[in-house]
Amino acid sequence: RKEVEQDPGPFNVPEGATVAFNCTYSNSASQSFFWYRQDCRKEPKLLMSVYSSGNEDGRFTAQLNRASQYISLLIRDSKLSDSATYLCVVNGGYNKLIFGAGTRLAVHP
Amino acid sequence: DGGITQSPKYLFRKEGQNVTLSCEQNLNHDAMYWYRQDPGQGLRLIYYSQIVNDFQKGDIAEGYSVSREKKESFPLTVTSAQKNPTAFYLCASSMRNLVTSGTTSSYEQYFGPGTRLTVT
Repeated sequence: RKEVEQDPGPFNVPEGATVAFNCTYSNSASQSFFWYRQDCRKEPKLLMSVYSSGNEDGRFTAQLNRASQYISLLIRDSKLSDSATYLCVVNGGYNKLIFGAGTRLAVHP
Repeated sequence: DGGITQSPKYLFRKEGQNVTLSCEQNLNHDAMYWYRQDPGQGLRLIYYSQIVNDFQKGDIAEGYSVSREKKESFPLTVTSAQKNPTAFYLCASSMRNLVTSGTTSSYEQYFGPGTRLTVT
């Protein structure tokens, strides 16, 4: 089983749609969780950290379910500029991060 | 302007040659990392360094070497022993969690723009 698993997509959605990405992780001792965004042929950029109580940043909401070892990212009112690959990231030990392979999102007019 | 720089952006080499990729950061981060990304795949950790003059192998260290003589710099050498060197190489840095026992937490990592290496 992969340490961090994501649905590869692609998710093709119209502008204005709400889309949700899920991610599962295998290490129950993990304490740090993040979502990164990666545009085509660019470096990953931090989108948001994920906190136990869930957190929101504008149109983006992240949730953590420790019991199920599951993380989610919800994007509301999708924009064309949201088209990218979203990486689920979980710490895999002291100062180490494990990156999922990513879920590709394509927002169309 | 704080950030991480990698050079060059594109690099072409012939098989059998060693090549060194540069990574510099001015974020005052203790920890630095090298990853490799192949098309359609996630990032895989090559080497990481938590502090100057110390580094550890990641998941795919074979055929690579690093040095950490300065806090700001963490160059990666791709040697001729690396069987499939063509890839997108990403350098990252982060603050270092100073608690060494009883924790598995990590700070977020910040990435440089990457170097695309093509070996023919």
